[in-house]
Amino acid sequence: DQQVKQNSPSLSVQEGRISILNCDYTNSMFDYFLWYKKYPAEGPTFLISISSIKDKNEDGRFTVFLNKSAKHLSLHIVPSQPGDSAVYFCAATSRGGGSNYKLTFGKGTLLTVNP
Amino acid sequence: NAGVTQTPKFQVLKTGQSMTLQCAQDMNHEYMSWYRQDPGMGLRLIHYSVGAGITDQGEVPNGYNVSRSTTEDFPLRLLSAAPSQTSVYFCASSYRGDRVGYTFGSGTRLTVV
Repeated sequence: DQQVKQNSPSLSVQEGRISILNCDYTNSMFDYFLWYKKYPAEGPTFLISISSIKDKNEDGRFTVFLNKSAKHLSLHIVPSQPGDSAVYFCAATSRGGGSNYKLTFGKGTLLTVNP
Repeated sequence: NAGVTQTPKFQVLKTGQSMTLQCAQDMNHEYMSWYRQDPGMGLRLIHYSVGAGITDQGEVPNGYNVSRSTTEDFPLRLLSAAPSQTSVYFCASSYRGDRVGYTFGSGTRLTVV
């Protein structure tokens, strides 16, 4: 039973355009969501996060939107750059009771930004 | 600051052999976890620890053991390697209540033949 779903295995966009990566979750207990970026032969690196009390969080070119009623979040990258080409993982956790030590990951989306 | 250090980076084992994947962090993080990454499967939690002396199972714990005798170290032991354990293993650590999530090591690529 996959609790965090990234239904698009890959996405290709042109440099300078917007990249939109999507993520759906099924567990209503999840209250904190994170995006990680992973280059080949490296570990994932934290990109941006959002708490369930917010519906938007921005950090430079990266914005995460959360729609709790739809159990859906998306990562927007504007403008996209070739260096953004990587696998992006959506992750979720339940922080109620301090249980933020367990992250549940989606399968990832390979983003390719073409020059 | 070295962050999260994993050794070895690559390893080939024969079926039935045992080995320990090492993980060390120098950030005084309370939480540490082991994940495995398989093609098309994302990252799956194997075992985790919320502090020295405290460990628990994650989503895919079978065939693996962990212990946490110090805050810094969280080794992962493969008891009797099987081809199904061929994977890339990532160790990660975090402060308790850290809002930026885990810091990951660079991974150990394990092949079991």
